[in-house]
Amino acid sequence: ETGVTQSPTHLIKTRGQQVTLRCSSQSGHNTVSWYQQALGQGPQFIFQYYREEENGRGNFPPRFSGLQFPNYSSELNVNALELDDSALYLCASGEDSGANVLTFGAGSRLTVL
Amino acid sequence: QKEVEQDPGPLSVPEGAIVSLNCTYSNSAFQYFMWYRQYSRKGPELLMYTYSSGNKEDGRFTAQVDKSSKYISLFIRDSQPSDSATYLCAMTWGGDMRFGAGTRLTVKP
Repeated sequence: ETGVTQSPTHLIKTRGQQVTLRCSSQSGHNTVSWYQQALGQGPQFIFQYYREEENGRGNFPPRFSGLQFPNYSSELNVNALELDDSALYLCASGEDSGANVLTFGAGSRLTVL
Repeated sequence: QKEVEQDPGPLSVPEGAIVSLNCTYSNSAFQYFMWYRQYSRKGPELLMYTYSSGNKEDGRFTAQVDKSSKYISLFIRDSQPSDSATYLCAMTWGGDMRFGAGTRLTVKP
């Protein structure tokens, strides 16, 4: 299967809850990165996984965590949701750990009330 | 000061116009420069990819990188209504990618 798919497309949570977002990377891509895109802003790097190990992290608190699985799927988990976590969460995959060409999914739009 | 600066627009042009989109950056370590296009409710789609300084052309699109000025540009010739989208510049030194805020472009028929 080609391309990057994300689920769910939209979801609404309340402050303090936890959320898990899922991503299926492009086949053969060993790197997955997660980005947060607030309304009217560019994507902000959360973290990157390469071969199931985290190998880079942006300026996000530990309540943002992730997992990458051998079958090219991955998860982004956010605990203790805050209002400012409302954003579009993008998953992107690349061929290797220094991938400069990323394929993005359509994103999961999270609203925190 | 943000690491990557991009005028958010919005920018509105008539069909057929030449569009110029620009970004400036502060980190001289950046070596790889990209332009992504993002339609509403979609993820970013890679348009152009350039390594170091120079020009790259692909159809109606031309990307320019001037590392001495820390300035990159994307030119769209003969713009079409289907080019209406948000254009994001992005750059990296091989680690995580840094994006501009995006410029929202509308091409009017």
